[in-house]
Amino acid sequence: GENVEQHPSTLSVQEGDSAVIKCTYSDSASNYFPWYKQELGKGPQLIIDIRSNVGEKKDQRIAVTLNKTAKHFSLHITETQPEDSAVYFCAAKNSNSGYALNFGKGTSLLVTP
Amino acid sequence: SAVISQKPSRDICQRGTSLTIQCQVDSQVTMMFWYRQQPGQSLTLIATANQGSEATYESGFVIDKFPISRPNLTFSTLTVSNMSPEDSSIYLCSVVVRAKYNEQFFGPGTRLTVL
Repeated sequence: GENVEQHPSTLSVQEGDSAVIKCTYSDSASNYFPWYKQELGKGPQLIIDIRSNVGEKKDQRIAVTLNKTAKHFSLHITETQPEDSAVYFCAAKNSNSGYALNFGKGTSLLVTP
Repeated sequence: SAVISQKPSRDICQRGTSLTIQCQVDSQVTMMFWYRQQPGQSLTLIATANQGSEATYESGFVIDKFPISRPNLTFSTLTVSNMSPEDSSIYLCSVVVRAKYNEQFFGPGTRLTVL
């Protein structure tokens, strides 16, 4: 089955700096890659996703890049703010084998003022 | 997207008892799932809740321990049976609204502590 690895497990940045979280996946047939933000005491919130026919996608301060050849994808947050502090999870899915998401272990991001 | 609510939001239960968690969505959805998130860990899929039929369980999860119902397109329940402290986790309901778009949305979770 699919194995998703996520790095780093913790990340601390100064407000205004950029943050990058990287994930690799094992199943070359995976074609959907969402990112979730989970704040303390809340459920995961879908913040951005990318499909395998696209190399990059941006939404304001958030961007995701996908390298299908290397089987890795990354989340980029620019101009970080304290409210970006949360746990971020990447996930991967092969649409031909159902809807279940395979999650990475998460990255705890701390943005310090 | 969809507005998903779960009840209860949290509970503290005694060993050996059972708890039923409800998941309600504000619109009809294609798929509903139940995940478990152990303290400080990632999300693990328990099962897919199938409308009008038995749920499809992932490896390591069985119906006797986690019976699931889905009587219609907007509602599902997960029961955690004969609980032990190892069942202390966050239990999350998630939905896929439209099959062709893949996006999966999560409820706020039910925080369960078993003493």
